[in-house]
Amino acid sequence: NAGVTQTPKFQVLKTGQSMTLQCAQDMNHEYMSWYRQDPGMGLRLIHYSVGAGITDQGEVPNGYNVSRSTTEDFPLRLLSAAPSQTSVYFCATQGRQGSYGYTFGSGTRLTVV
Amino acid sequence: GEDVEQSLFLSVREGDSSVINCTYTDSSSTYLYWYKQEPGAGLQLLTYIFSNMDMKQDQRLTVLLNKKDKHLSLRIADTQTGDSAIYFCAELNTGTASKLTFGTGTRLQVTL
Repeated sequence: NAGVTQTPKFQVLKTGQSMTLQCAQDMNHEYMSWYRQDPGMGLRLIHYSVGAGITDQGEVPNGYNVSRSTTEDFPLRLLSAAPSQTSVYFCATQGRQGSYGYTFGSGTRLTVV
Repeated sequence: GEDVEQSLFLSVREGDSSVINCTYTDSSSTYLYWYKQEPGAGLQLLTYIFSNMDMKQDQRLTVLLNKKDKHLSLRIADTQTGDSAIYFCAELNTGTASKLTFGTGTRLQVTL
């Protein structure tokens, strides 16, 4: 049981390049989300999904796209990377509401130069 | 909207108790959580408390919730060097599509 798997773990991009951060879960959780973590700012929600085919914007969605074609996968796309998108990105899932909280992936550290 | 605040840094001696504080604004929060993040790792759920509880104890961890003041605290008894990490509080409002709102995190430093 792998839980939540994020790939890659590290990535360096040039300004203007595009890439996709992958998130896969094997827990059959309906809810999936993407956060970015920046020093002194905690975690900020980028996009989330309450089930296959349903996505919505979070607090900081600009510059990012998502899709949810299956329950297992929730990729995050950067269409044209900018230095402001240098951050650590976490994918999180939740099945049953409330007491089990979120399960986090180990993160992707992205640097845009 | 929701807002969760924490102090940024706490330093304690090994063996002492640590108390990490958090305030939140959303009175309709249903669950409140404490997560631990070690360097280079993701967030690990430590404990949680349901909004109708005042206290929860789990081994060395004690969570206190003051709903009137919207104040949450995490006490770590007999703090060890392995407890050095960033601790995040988070609130869940099940009315907002299960979105967690996180505090900025408190970095706990344990000294010998």
